[in-house]
Amino acid sequence: AQRVTQPEKLLSVFKGAPVELKCNYSYSGSPELFWYVQYSRQRLQLLLRHISRESIKGFTADLNKGETSFHLKKPFAQEEDSAMYYCAPPLPVDSNYQLIWGAGTKLIIKP
Amino acid sequence: DTAVSQTPKYLVTQMGNDKSIKCEQNLGHDTMYWYKQDSKKFLKIMFSYNNKELIINETVPNRFSPKSPDKAHLNLHINSLELGDSAVYFCASSQKDGTGGNQPQHFGDGTRLSIL
Repeated sequence: AQRVTQPEKLLSVFKGAPVELKCNYSYSGSPELFWYVQYSRQRLQLLLRHISRESIKGFTADLNKGETSFHLKKPFAQEEDSAMYYCAPPLPVDSNYQLIWGAGTKLIIKP
Repeated sequence: DTAVSQTPKYLVTQMGNDKSIKCEQNLGHDTMYWYKQDSKKFLKIMFSYNNKELIINETVPNRFSPKSPDKAHLNLHINSLELGDSAVYFCASSQKDGTGGNQPQHFGDGTRLSIL
């Protein structure tokens, strides 16, 4: 089955430190993956997608087919980065209707 | 010009009641979703609805029923509410791109449901 895994439920780093949120996928081929962010009590919103290869709010993510990963990185964390982060494919389920979203990682930036 | 709007934002009701949450998107998308986010922030897909074709997640109790009067609306009706239904419910929509792939989902603000 296709799966997206975020191994860390919680990640806490100090302001100014580098951040890496891990995401691994289990399906073959060329997956399309997104990172969504949810700030406290707000809606989920798209942060970035791998095909755009852009940097949003200082975050970047590269699809590594060899490691089947799509880790989200930022060189210097800021307090406003504290949020829930979800790694996800375009569709929330695979052809067998199994959930393939990541469980989310809560990022806390300590002052 | 909110893209995906849900009403109400907050819903407080008693166990056993029946309630509905409405969702509308003005993006012209062909697919809409309902998610349940629990207290641990785990996001669980409940339903996906594409051009009048309903995809049902089998783990959702049949007390939950989606209703789509048209492509721009996907409402969620819940019968006989239970304490465990307390959560934040998010509506989302997306569109296939020109190559048959799917664009990112756009989410509503969420409806915070509290069962007394």
